[in-house]
Order: sequence, then C-alpha cells, then structure tokens
Amino acid sequence: DAGVTQSPTHLIKTRGQQVTLRCSPKSGHDTVSWYQQALGQGPQFIFQYYEEEERQRGNFPDRFSGHQFPNYSSELNVNALLLGDSALYLCASSLGRRGTDTQYFGPGTRLTVL
Amino acid sequence: TQLLEQSPQFLSIQEGENLTVYCNSSSVFSSLQWYRQEPGEGPVLLVTVVTGGEVKKLKRLTFQFGDARKDSSLHITAAQPGDTGLYLCAGAGASGGSYIPTFGRGTSLIVHP
Repeated sequence: DAGVTQSPTHLIKTRGQQVTLRCSPKSGHDTVSWYQQALGQGPQFIFQYYEEEERQRGNFPDRFSGHQFPNYSSELNVNALLLGDSALYLCASSLGRRGTDTQYFGPGTRLTVL
Repeated sequence: TQLLEQSPQFLSIQEGENLTVYCNSSSVFSSLQWYRQEPGEGPVLLVTVVTGGEVKKLKRLTFQFGDARKDSSLHITAAQPGDTGLYLCAGAGASGGSYIPTFGRGTSLIVHP
C-alpha cells in the first residue's frame, strides 16, 4: 500500500518564476492538504482540497493556488516566486473533510528560490 | 503570534537520559497531536489526545494532555539515538474553530550514543 508521494523531491527556481508541485494521496484517501515548512519552523497550513474544491485556506496570498483531480491527486502552484517561498512543501492526505481524521504526510518537496 | 509554543527549542542529550518536551497555548483545543519528523521526511503521527488530563503511553514515550486542554507534554524515558528527530505538537479545533491542525515550531532532539 503506497503512502503519500510527492514530486519532485527538490526544485530550484529563480525569483518571479512559477512552480507546480504534485501529490498523490494514500490509497483510499480523498482529502489533500498542503503545508509550507520553512527552516526551523513547524508546518503552516496553506489549503485543503476535498471533492476537487478548495475547502479551507490558511493565511497565504493568492499567488498560492491548487487543484485536485478526480483521482484525488493534487497540485500546488506558486506564481511570482519570492525568496521567502523557499521551504519544504508538504502534502498530507486523509479520509473525509473534517480534518479530525489522521493525516498522513508525504516526504515533501524542497523548493529553493534564488 | 505563535498559537502553540514548544520548549525547549533544542535538546542534546546522551543515550539513556530522560527528557520532557512541552507544548503550551492560551487556546483550548479539541484535540492535540504529537508528530516526529526526521530529516528529509514528512511528520509522522505519534499520538492524538482528546480528553483533558489524558495520559497515553507508546513504549518509552508518555504523552499527557493538560486538564484544561491548553497544554501537553511528551516524556521520553531512557532516550535512544533512534529517538533523534524534530518533535512537533499540533492543536486542532481551537475555540470551536477549524479542525485543521496548527503546528508549533517543534523541539529538535539529538540523542548521542
């Protein structure tokens, strides 16, 4: 049973560019949440997708957007990259939209913005 | 403003020692979770506590949820090098709000052989 997978594992971009990160949830899970973890910080919630719609959003600008596909996989898009966007981006999957169900995290994508 | 404060931020100990990590907040949570994160990996859930005063044990790890559901502690007995990692607490359902967990900054633990 595959857990949560994310791609790519590492990515280097320059300021102003756009990036797309991908996540496949754990088998049987229908909810995907995205988090940003800056160095020395805990994960910060970006948004959650359920039934292909953004259900909840954290305190992140509109430059951060996402999508969920019918197979429950998800993408995180970040436009107009800033140096401060450098972080580990984590995807977590769960079953059900309440958020009280156990979340399983992927290994993350390390984004470096130069 | 950090909703959850974790202390200490860093901890470096020798194998066999005991340690306690704290997670404090001014908010009341419906549930609180503890995770361990190793370098290059995502956080892995260790335990969820939901009842004030609740104590849960996971082998050498003991988790306690405060009576008022505002704070929690993690105690490790006879630490081993395999316990090395970042320990994160996350609270959900603060003051009847979102059930998306809010994470603290974490405690980075290094256990030396």
